[in-house]
Amino acid sequence: QVQLVESGGGVVQPGRSLRLSCAAFGFTFSSSAMHWVRQAPGKGLEGVATISNDGSIKFYADSVKGRFSISRDSSKNTLYLQMNSLRAEDTAVYYCARDGQTIFGRALDWGQGTLVTVSS
Amino acid sequence: SYVLTQPPSVSVAPGQTARITCGGDNIGSKSVHWYQQKPGQAPVVVVYDDYDRPSGIPERFSGSNSGNTAILTISRVEAGDEADYFCQVWDSIIDHMVFGGGTKLTVL
Repeated sequence: QVQLVESGGGVVQPGRSLRLSCAAFGFTFSSSAMHWVRQAPGKGLEGVATISNDGSIKFYADSVKGRFSISRDSSKNTLYLQMNSLRAEDTAVYYCARDGQTIFGRALDWGQGTLVTVSS
Repeated sequence: SYVLTQPPSVSVAPGQTARITCGGDNIGSKSVHWYQQKPGQAPVVVVYDDYDRPSGIPERFSGSNSGNTAILTISRVEAGDEADYFCQVWDSIIDHMVFGGGTKLTVL
């Protein structure tokens, strides 16, 4: 049974940094592309970042390019999102999601999400 | 960038059929995925790659995609189907996930 567990969210001041983690269970993590998707309070879904199964390919939304970095550690079955220079508009629930063996661009399984609040 | 358009709301009586549309330029050439999100919960995929259904999703959920419109059809709607539904594609021009604005399904 696939399980994705996000952690690392919290309240952070504008301009500061935060690192989110997503622990993966129940599937071969090193064989799956992964995504981060966020949802601002009361709003829709927004794709944030994508990484290939081997970590060699990474894509970012324009809204986070240059500030956020996606990475993965297959020895720990964990996906990361390093978020720097945070802004109020980054406030959202952040979900990690599993894709297929290549980047098909779909989210077949989701974690429960972790809330990031950027506020002074 | 690529834009997906969904109606903000759809209402249907129990037992009837709900159709939620997702419009996009030549969306029929892309693979469309549909997610159900209930209040306070993470999204769940109900249809992927236009019409495939994950295990555990009832056959009442089906998808189609042609031309400029993709459709999620929910047959024999139940009260438990009340949720927000989002369509999504991969924009291969900018290499990014694109979501529709979401449709709130209300079961009358």
